[in-house]
Amino acid sequence: SQTIHQWPATLVQPVGSPLSLECTVEGTSNPNLYWYRQAAGRGLQLLFYSVGIGQISSEVPQNLSASRPQDRQFILSSKKLLLSDSGFYLCACSGVDQPQHFGDGTRLSIL
Amino acid sequence: AQSVTQLDSQVPVFEEAPVELRCNYSSSVSVYLFWYVQYPNQGLQLLLKYLSGSTLVKGINGFEAEFNKSQTSFHLRKPSVHISDTAEYFCAVRVPGSNYKLTFGKGTLLTVNP
Repeated sequence: SQTIHQWPATLVQPVGSPLSLECTVEGTSNPNLYWYRQAAGRGLQLLFYSVGIGQISSEVPQNLSASRPQDRQFILSSKKLLLSDSGFYLCACSGVDQPQHFGDGTRLSIL
Repeated sequence: AQSVTQLDSQVPVFEEAPVELRCNYSSSVSVYLFWYVQYPNQGLQLLLKYLSGSTLVKGINGFEAEFNKSQTSFHLRKPSVHISDTAEYFCAVRVPGSNYKLTFGKGTLLTVNP
């Protein structure tokens, strides 16, 4: 079965600092990978998805970027964090004809 | 484009009472439907899914949902809830061929009181 590792679990960063959140997947090959942001009362917003190494699709314009340097590694980055980047970030994966499976998330607070 | 509406943002119930969490969707094409549960500070866990076949779908933890195409609904039900069912529940849809992307509702917070 699929396992998703996300770290760190919590992160407090000052405004203007850089960001790197990492997600790695076990138990599947060539998965589709997704980054979501969850804000209170607003459900989950899909930020990026990837169907393969180096292939990134952005769903919303924003201050963040994503990269997929390896088949089962997905990284969310920012050069300069904004207050509005605060939230709960979730990584998910799906295989062929499989529902999305989620990691435990990273809670990001911007001060 | 598709959308999902969860009609209740919060549902408080007493332990051992039945519960129904409502979900309606809008789409110009056929969709697959999902319910996920999220416990505090955790990721989402799949409760159940409807892809095709029987419109009554049974999931984990005693939950079930019924797909109603004419009403574009996929309501989640449990006949008797436990304190441990307190969590946020998300309904989601997926359009076939969309790289498995999900569109989520805003969630319903189920609070089970003793």
